[in-house]
Amino acid sequence: DTGVSQNPRHKITKRGQNVTFRCDPISEHNRLYWYRQTLGQGPEFLTYFQNEAQLEKSRLLSDRFSAERPKGSFSTLEIQRTEQGDSAMYLCASSLEGYQPQHFGDGTRLSIL
Amino acid sequence: EDQVTQSPEALRLQEGESSSLNCSYTVSGLRGLFWYRQDPGKGPEFLFTLYSAGEEKEKERLKATLTKKESFLHITAPKPEDSATYLCAVLVPGTASKLTFGTGTRLQVTL
Repeated sequence: DTGVSQNPRHKITKRGQNVTFRCDPISEHNRLYWYRQTLGQGPEFLTYFQNEAQLEKSRLLSDRFSAERPKGSFSTLEIQRTEQGDSAMYLCASSLEGYQPQHFGDGTRLSIL
Repeated sequence: EDQVTQSPEALRLQEGESSSLNCSYTVSGLRGLFWYRQDPGKGPEFLFTLYSAGEEKEKERLKATLTKKESFLHITAPKPEDSATYLCAVLVPGTASKLTFGTGTRLQVTL
């Protein structure tokens, strides 16, 4: 069990630029989730995949955000035209089906200059 | 709206001083309550899942319990390495797999 892997760990970019994050889930997990966490808060749900299908999206996920999971393996989260308010820790998690625990990666910290 | 409230926000204990963290929730049809530990700059680390009132889980110095309205994380004889933020989250029906988190309790254990 190599755990959930996220890259990069840190991303600093200028406002208006596009950024993309990658998540590699635990290999046997078919469910993959993206969350966003700001300082002093718990993670907030963004979106969820079962295999390659994106089944749920939060209202937090504006049209500047897009997520993909080609072939049901790794996933990418892209933010276009970044804004100051996008600064946060972006967390990826994976799980088996059913009401199983979600296992998190160490996140990508995004800082917008 | 489903809500999860954790208390206290912060807790400072001396090594060996036992205490409890609280997680209260207003959810219809709970499908699971999860406890996580989060260290600074890291992602949440899974600790326990509780599915029904009366259930208890233990791991080393930690014990989690669940009632119909709240969960407690009991820490017995804590050590400095137990210092972290402890998060609870609930899984509700109709949302497939969305976890709703509380804001966490920051625990500091001193010598």
